[in-house]
Amino acid sequence: EIVLTQSPGSLSLSPGERAALSCRASQSVSSNYLAWYQQKPGQAPRLLIYGASSRATGIPDRFSGSGSGTDFTLTISRLEPEDFAVYYCQQYGPSPGGVYTFGQGTKLEIK
Amino acid sequence: VHLVESGGGLVQPGGSLRLSCSASGFTFDTHAMHWVRQAPGKGLQYVSVISKDGGSTYYADSVKGRFTISRDNSRNTLYLQMSSLRAEDTAVYYCVKDCMGVTLFDYWGQGSLVTVSS
Repeated sequence: EIVLTQSPGSLSLSPGERAALSCRASQSVSSNYLAWYQQKPGQAPRLLIYGASSRATGIPDRFSGSGSGTDFTLTISRLEPEDFAVYYCQQYGPSPGGVYTFGQGTKLEIK
Repeated sequence: VHLVESGGGLVQPGGSLRLSCSASGFTFDTHAMHWVRQAPGKGLQYVSVISKDGGSTYYADSVKGRFTISRDNSRNTLYLQMSSLRAEDTAVYYCVKDCMGVTLFDYWGQGSLVTVSS
C-alpha cells in the first residue's frame, strides 16, 4: 500500500499570496494517478485536480498541479478568501481494484 | 447527480448499523461505488468499494470481516452493513461515486454520522 505524506501540516498565508502544498508518495504513483481534493468545514470534499495536473470541471485556473513519480505539488497562484480549507492528495487506480489511500491533509489558514 | 446517505446514529460498542445511500442523476449500474469515512477532526479514510454488478468488493484492513458493502441496482441504492462496531469507527461516512473507471471521486454524498459510544 502506498503511503502519502503531505507537507506542511498547516500553512498560514494571506489572500493574494501563492500557496504550494506538497504530497510525497512512499513509492512511485503509476500513470501519475494522483488527485487533489479541497474540503471546507461541514462539507464533503471536492475534486480539484486529477492525473497530477488536470483540473476538474469548474475548477478555477489559479489551481494547478504538478509532479510525477513520488513528488507532487498543488499550487494556488493567488489565494482567494474561499480557498482557505483543508487539502488532501489521493492516489487512485482502477475501480474496483483495491484500497486507495489519502494523504493526511494540509490545512490552509488565513494569516 | 445526488447521493443521499441515511441510517447513521448512535450505537453501542459491539452493535450493528446499516447505512444506505440513494443515488440519482446518473446510471447507477455503470459505476463502482465507494464508502469513505472521516473521524471527527481527522482526515479521510477509504473504507470499501463494490463493483458495478456487485461481484467484487474490497475493504480497508481496519473494517475487514466486520463491514459488508452491497448494492441493489434495481433501487439505485448502496449499502454498508457495519457490525462489531468499535469507538474508532465513529465517523462521518460518505457515499462516493467514481469516474472514468478509476477510484477518482467526482461526487460525494453529504455524509452520515455514526457514533459508537456507550
